[in-house]
Amino acid sequence: QAVLTQPSSLSASPGASATLTCTLRSDFNVGTYRMYWYQQKPGSPPQFLLKYNSDSDKQQGSGVPSRFSGSKDASANAGILIISGLQSEDEADYYCMTWHSGGWVFGGGTKLTVL
Amino acid sequence: EVQLVQSGAEVRKPGESLTISCKGSGYRFNSYWINWVRQMPGKGLEWMGRIDPNDFDVKYSPSFQGHVTISVDRSIGTAYLQWNSLTSSDTAMYYCVAGDQAPWGQGTLVTVSS
Repeated sequence: QAVLTQPSSLSASPGASATLTCTLRSDFNVGTYRMYWYQQKPGSPPQFLLKYNSDSDKQQGSGVPSRFSGSKDASANAGILIISGLQSEDEADYYCMTWHSGGWVFGGGTKLTVL
Repeated sequence: EVQLVQSGAEVRKPGESLTISCKGSGYRFNSYWINWVRQMPGKGLEWMGRIDPNDFDVKYSPSFQGHVTISVDRSIGTAYLQWNSLTSSDTAMYYCVAGDQAPWGQGTLVTVSS
């Protein structure tokens, strides 16, 4: 089983909020892992959005709007990316990442469609 | 401003060798580990490994250990990703990135085909 699991796709309407989840394998505790989120649009490299460990340990990427925010759901053992006030330009692939065993591990990515 | 500029697209035959590069600018090169990430066509991101420019310490993902070599030339602020014997499954876009929050390089497309 993969260390990080993301749903392959998600659809939401313009102006609505989208909640993207990144579930950590059950033998690890999300409370001890800092989550990173990246956005990738077709033909472009990924762009760092934010990192989230707790409300007192988080960082927004340079120029990333505040409508992108992170959190954790301990009951689901998952990292969360919330995008509020969805815009058509938010349509992209979103990847979560965490540090594990001295290196990076990525989730499989979620394709967000705004329609 | 942190910037990573990668070398251009490459086409090789199976069994051939290849080295691609990633040049950092706008920051002190030794400040961040350089990571390499693979993205196969239509697929997700895979971390390959990283190098610490300070002491040349390298860590590879088990999936890539023994198949690629990561190195760095601090004097010119450039990191490298090297293959000694390419296979068709190495066809992918390769990205370098300094640290976990910096802008990524633009990517280098490697195509391996007979």
